[in-house]
Amino acid sequence: GAGVSQSPRYKVAKRGQDVALRCDPISGHVSLFWYQQALGQGPEFLTYFQNEAQLDKSGLPSDRFFAERPEGSVSTLKIQRTQQEDSAVYLCASSLSARGASGNTIYFGEGSWLTVV
Amino acid sequence: AQTVTQSQPEMSVQEAETVTLSCTYDTSESNYYLFWYKQPPSRQMILVIRQEAYKQQNATENRFSVNFQKAAKSFSLKISDSQLGDTAMYFCAFMNNFNKFYFGSGTKLNVKP
Repeated sequence: GAGVSQSPRYKVAKRGQDVALRCDPISGHVSLFWYQQALGQGPEFLTYFQNEAQLDKSGLPSDRFFAERPEGSVSTLKIQRTQQEDSAVYLCASSLSARGASGNTIYFGEGSWLTVV
Repeated sequence: AQTVTQSQPEMSVQEAETVTLSCTYDTSESNYYLFWYKQPPSRQMILVIRQEAYKQQNATENRFSVNFQKAAKSFSLKISDSQLGDTAMYFCAFMNNFNKFYFGSGTKLNVKP
């Protein structure tokens, strides 16, 4: 597609439910990032993939958060046993080059809005 | 650790006037990039302008320009001839050599007719 696509755009989950958020990066993009944006805050880094390798997961807030990108294209962010504090917009971004190729343009999706009730 | 501070939670400007959004950052790295992103209610982050830290010349992009003061670690955004479509959240962001973004808390800009 022309841009980074995320689904679902909106998700309401009951506390304790598992959710899966999908990201389709721009075709051919090597790098993929997940960010979490709470209401009234700037996005915060969660994890980074270079192709299928998860090179940085330092931002994942707990072991309930898990991300994968098995074939180096589509990525899924999974949240197990959701809590109210998980309510946020989850932004996916991709870039053409690998980490270390500083300054290459990073493209963001429109995000998945998760509300945990 | 890198931090980005936007001290203006909300600002207003009349259409056609000029407004400046402030941003300061803290880093020990010497090579990095700075960005301003616009985020409308749709939540998609739209790149407004970027600045390479090694360049002394301030970046400009049509009505948008920056005042980059490396020694002071300041990176303000000036919007000239403000338009109604400029109404949005604006985020200042720092990117290190590992393509890892650090965002400020944002400034909500309201352009009034």
